Amino acid sequence: GAGVSQSPSNKVTEKGKDVELRCDPISGHTALYWYRQSLGQGLEFLIYFQGNSAPDKSGLPSDRFSAERTGGSVSTLTIQRTQQEDSAVYLCASSRTGNEQFFGPGTRLTVL
Amino acid sequence: DQQVKQNSPSLSVQEGRISILNCDYTNSMFDYFLWYKKYPAEGPTFLISISSIKDKNEDGRFTVFLNKSAKHLSLHIVPSQPGDSAVYFCAASEGGNMLTFGGGTRLMVKP
Repeated sequence: GAGVSQSPSNKVTEKGKDVELRCDPISGHTALYWYRQSLGQGLEFLIYFQGNSAPDKSGLPSDRFSAERTGGSVSTLTIQRTQQEDSAVYLCASSRTGNEQFFGPGTRLTVL
Repeated sequence: DQQVKQNSPSLSVQEGRISILNCDYTNSMFDYFLWYKKYPAEGPTFLISISSIKDKNEDGRFTVFLNKSAKHLSLHIVPSQPGDSAVYFCAASEGGNMLTFGGGTRLMVKP
């Protein structure tokens, strides 16, 4: 069975531009999470979707960050007016039980 | 404040010997703990987990021990193999919500 997929795998953008990162979770997984790993840092929680409930946005670092999950499946993380400190690997995970989370390969974002 | 800490940034072990990776946490509300393995340029791969109602969980060469009174968990890999060389992250969650990760330990298994 297919795992979590993310696109693009790499994204280079200029400071001030908007970017969209996509995540396709494992089929049947109701929970979807976004994390990021900045250079030399650990994994940092960003946002969490569970079924049709309102998302937990407590980890988003600023209002330039937003995410949607359409139809309970695919999710898009949008970063507006990107800054150099947004450069990181953005990781998506999904879960059926809410315990074990399975990660995608990540999107490496570089803001010049 | 770091709620999950891995105090050893790196560990070097001889092939065939035991690798012990440690993790400490501060939030007593955490009820589920996991270990992930990560290779460069890949997402973390789930290894093994343990619920707070248990103190040990074993899966093949991997065993996770949980000491709730000390707020400490460890991952034992026996026997260690060169292919185990990677960065290992411990993580914890409360009520099936987001994971809080430690900073990772780089394991090097020497042939």
